[in-house]
Amino acid sequence: NAGVTQTPKFRVLKTGQSMTLLCAQDMNHEYMYWYRQDPGMGLRLIHYSVGEGTTAKGEVPDGYNVSRLKKQNFLLGLESAAPSQTSVYFCASTSGRDEQFFGPGTRLTVL
Amino acid sequence: KNQVEQSPQSLIILEGKNCTLQCNYTVSPFSNLRWYKQDTGRGPVSLTIMTFSENTKSNGRYTATLDADTKQSSLHITASQLSDSASYICVVPPRGSGGYQKVTFGTGTKLQVIP
Repeated sequence: NAGVTQTPKFRVLKTGQSMTLLCAQDMNHEYMYWYRQDPGMGLRLIHYSVGEGTTAKGEVPDGYNVSRLKKQNFLLGLESAAPSQTSVYFCASTSGRDEQFFGPGTRLTVL
Repeated sequence: KNQVEQSPQSLIILEGKNCTLQCNYTVSPFSNLRWYKQDTGRGPVSLTIMTFSENTKSNGRYTATLDADTKQSSLHITASQLSDSASYICVVPPRGSGGYQKVTFGTGTKLQVIP
């Protein structure tokens, strides 16, 4: 039981490049979330999903897209990376209002 | 707007000493309050959850308290260890819809335990 995994762990992009972050969970959770964490700020919700095939915008969705084609996977895409997207990205999952389980994070730097 | 404020922002204590972290919230209606521990370079991990009717809950050397009237919670760490060095995040989901999409996360208290 791996819990929540994220790939890659680290990435450096140049402005304008694109990339996809992958989140996978093996707990059969319905809900999945993408957050970004910046110094001095709490975790901020980018996008979330309440089930396979569904996605919705969170607090800071601009510049990001997501897809949930399979229940266990939640992908976060950056179409044209900007320096303001330099951050640590966390994926989380939960079965509802129970405990959230977080992945180990992806540290992204955009030059 | 729902807010969660934590204090202090950072704290350095000697190994073996006790410390208390604070969380004040304005989230309404209240459902529960969670404390998470986030080690450097890792994702947050839940330490404890406090519901409206609970005043105190312990998890080993961690004791959380809740005062729903004043909307304050504290996390007390007893006999600190070097492994307690981490950020501690207070999370307050509003009562209502399922999931965490409307959850407010605190900015965290960064604790450093030194030998």
